[in-house]
Amino acid sequence: SQTIHQWPATLVQPVGSPLSLECTVEGTSNPNLYWYRQAAGRGLQLLFYSVGIGQISSEVPQNLSASRPQDRQFILSSKKLLLSDSGFYLCAWAGTVANYGYTFGSGTRLTVV
Amino acid sequence: QKEVEQDPGPLSVPEGAIVSLNCTYSNSAFQYFMWYRQYSRKGPELLMYTYSSGNKEDGRFTAQVDKSSKYISLFIRDSQPSDSATYLCAAWDGGATNKLIFGTGTLLAVQP
Repeated sequence: SQTIHQWPATLVQPVGSPLSLECTVEGTSNPNLYWYRQAAGRGLQLLFYSVGIGQISSEVPQNLSASRPQDRQFILSSKKLLLSDSGFYLCAWAGTVANYGYTFGSGTRLTVV
Repeated sequence: QKEVEQDPGPLSVPEGAIVSLNCTYSNSAFQYFMWYRQYSRKGPELLMYTYSSGNKEDGRFTAQVDKSSKYISLFIRDSQPSDSATYLCAAWDGGATNKLIFGTGTLLAVQP
């Protein structure tokens, strides 16, 4: 069966520090991968999605970047965090959206102080 | 106008009540509709999935799509305190981008 792993679960980082969040998927190949941010009391904001290794699409201009160095690995990064980067970050994968929709990871709660 | 609109609530109901959660959408190309449930500090999980118009039932949950009015609903019968969560509707047009469009979510509290 397919599983998605996302870590860390919580993170407190100072302003100006770098960020690296990692997401891996098991049990499937060539998944579509997504990074979302969810601010408190707000909906899901799609940040990046990837349909294959090295293929990254950015949805919003921001302080973040994403990379997909391996088929089932998706990384969200920042060189210098801003206070506004605080939020709940979710990774998701989809094989055939028509059949199963997205499967989300457990999320990373990032607080920038 | 957002492509998928959802009342954020919060919605508070007594245990055992019938809950109705609703979304509207603007893109006629949407064909696939989903409901996700998200408990506090957790990732969303797929609850219900429907294709095109009609109803789909799964236990106490019924998902309904009316494409003529661009309206999607989730009904919860005999609501339980464990149903307290945020419910997000989502839609997809079947395109190659595989991007779901989410509503902002409705926070539901079922009071014991």
